[in-house]
Amino acid sequence: GESVGLHLPTLSVQEGDNSIINCAYSNSASDYFIWYKQESGKGPQFIIDIRSNMDKRQGQRVTVLLNKTVKHLSLQIAATQPGDSAVYFCAETIGANSKLTFGKGITLSVRP
Amino acid sequence: ETGVTQSPTHLIKTRGQQVTLRCSSQSGHNTVSWYQQALGQGPQFIFQYYREEENGRGNFPPRFSGLQFPNYSSELNVNALELDDSALYLCASSLAGSTGELFFGEGSRLTVL
Repeated sequence: GESVGLHLPTLSVQEGDNSIINCAYSNSASDYFIWYKQESGKGPQFIIDIRSNMDKRQGQRVTVLLNKTVKHLSLQIAATQPGDSAVYFCAETIGANSKLTFGKGITLSVRP
Repeated sequence: ETGVTQSPTHLIKTRGQQVTLRCSSQSGHNTVSWYQQALGQGPQFIFQYYREEENGRGNFPPRFSGLQFPNYSSELNVNALELDDSALYLCASSLAGSTGELFFGEGSRLTVL
């Protein structure tokens, strides 16, 4: 079946370093991708999105890259801060509707 | 803060019982989606409501049902609870026709014993 998955379950980075979180998706029909951050005890929080007609999009300290050839999505966080510690999910959908397919999540741990 | 509120925050039920979870959407949002998040997993889409009607459903049995009210608030009902129904239930609101950005509440943690 179609699924969205992440390569690694945990990522530990030094404060101030850049973080890169990777995600593979398998539904070639997906045309809208979103990264969410979920802190302990809270619901997922939107970080950044990208449509399939783009390969890069930048936000504040975050960049999302999309490689449709290999069905790969990545989230780059610049100058990682302790407040970035959370579980990160990539999600995909078709037609930008509310039916998102989420990956399992990766835990980002920031070392002081 | 997303403006999406859910209640109750935590509850414990036993197998076979029924549960109702509630969600108030963000002001101005007319679409509500429900997700189930098992421990250590990503959220899974249950269904979506728009204009008080179900508008899309994931791979969940009919004992999962919902309602949306004229003020866009919503309920998730689960009948004949099973142990595997233990999870965090997330409500998300959005505006129909928007880019798909969902605003999630903090969830209702259901434990089935």
